Amino acid sequence: AQSVTQLGSHVSVSEGALVLLRCNYSSSVPPYLFWYVQYPNQGLQLLLKYTSAATLVKGINGFEAEFKKSETSFHLTKPSAHMSDAAEYFCAVGLTQGGKLIFGQGTELSVKP
Amino acid sequence: SQTIHQWPATLVQPVGSPLSLECTVEGTSNPNLYWYRQAAGRGLQLLFYSVGIGQISSEVPQNLSASRPQDRQFILSSKKLLLSDSGFYLCAWSGPGPENYMNTEAFFGQGTRLTVV
Repeated sequence: AQSVTQLGSHVSVSEGALVLLRCNYSSSVPPYLFWYVQYPNQGLQLLLKYTSAATLVKGINGFEAEFKKSETSFHLTKPSAHMSDAAEYFCAVGLTQGGKLIFGQGTELSVKP
Repeated sequence: SQTIHQWPATLVQPVGSPLSLECTVEGTSNPNLYWYRQAAGRGLQLLFYSVGIGQISSEVPQNLSASRPQDRQFILSSKKLLLSDSGFYLCAWSGPGPENYMNTEAFFGQGTRLTVV
């Protein structure tokens, strides 16, 4: 069975500091992995996705994630946090059955001035 | 380009009343469609998904049901709402594919905030 675990339900960083949001996955087949962002009372927006083409994936808004098979991880990073990055972030793995996604519990990112 | 519409944006309903949330997709054919629920402070739980008209798979036993009367229309319903049905409901679509296909990304609607009182 495939699953996703996000370490840390809340992460707080200062503006300009490194953002690191952790995601570990479990999958018996090569996974498709995604990071989504959700602003309050809105739907989810895709930040980036890993589909086995390259282990370092660049997304929108300066975010990137690195797929590490040996660590079963897909952590999301951004070199310098902006106030506008404050939101909830979800890691997800794609399943083979019906094209479904399984989401982690989410990490709320706060950015302090 | 493809768009997804979900309504209403907010809804307050009394316990025991019926529910109907609608989602439509434009600009694509034969999409896979999904209903997710996000309870306060929790992640997203997949409720239903559909790979075609009239084809509905339920992921969790619950008080809700889903229907797909047209290719790009997905409806979430309940005959009698419970307090525990409160939450943020999200409709999503992804590219078409058979049951054993690993999808690309899903695209989400703006969500419906349902409060059952």
